[in-house]
Amino acid sequence: QIQLVQSGPELKKPGESVKISCKASGYTFTDYAMHWVKQAPGKGLKWMGWINTYTGKPTYADDFKGRFVFSLEASASTANLQISNLKNEDTATYFCGGFGYWGQGVMVTVSS
Amino acid sequence: DVVLTQTPVAQPVTLGDQASISCRSSQSLVHSNGNTYLEWYLQKPGQSPQLLIYKVSNRFSGVPDRFIGSGSGSDFTLKISRVEPEDLGVYYCFQATHDPFTFGSGTKLEIK
Repeated sequence: QIQLVQSGPELKKPGESVKISCKASGYTFTDYAMHWVKQAPGKGLKWMGWINTYTGKPTYADDFKGRFVFSLEASASTANLQISNLKNEDTATYFCGGFGYWGQGVMVTVSS
Repeated sequence: DVVLTQTPVAQPVTLGDQASISCRSSQSLVHSNGNTYLEWYLQKPGQSPQLLIYKVSNRFSGVPDRFIGSGSGSDFTLKISRVEPEDLGVYYCFQATHDPFTFGSGTKLEIK
């Protein structure tokens, strides 16, 4: 069955970087794009962008251009989200997925 | 960017009754290829979003036929007949026609 398993929770300080992973199984990784969604505590869902898992080309929503990087380790059927120069407002749960399936989410807490 | 306006913000319901949620778009969601990429998600507390409906009215695998999506152009509705306890949570509409993709602000389905 299709599964997207994300890495564990992260606690970071402002200015640090974080890389979270999303390991796919149960399907051909390159058949579907991978989307990323942010959910701040108590807030709604916000689409961050997506990465073409065949070509590796990322597309970012405007609010996520600059400090956010989508990448792939295609041989490991894994998609990654890296956030640099973390800010307090990056505190959120980040989901990977799309095509009907989503990971369990990764809680990233940014606090000094 | 496309703005999706969901109403109501909260929908109190009696178990067994019908609930209806509206999603209005700031522009038509008909893609140049003729498809309308409007989806509905349910997010239960502490869980990732789960896809209910795609392309306006198609139920995702395993979704009960109590969930009915309808609409066209820029006006869409999700109806849930015979509401059950497991239907409670926050419902989001989502458009994948226009870049950037966007979510509605959510409708909380709660017990009256």
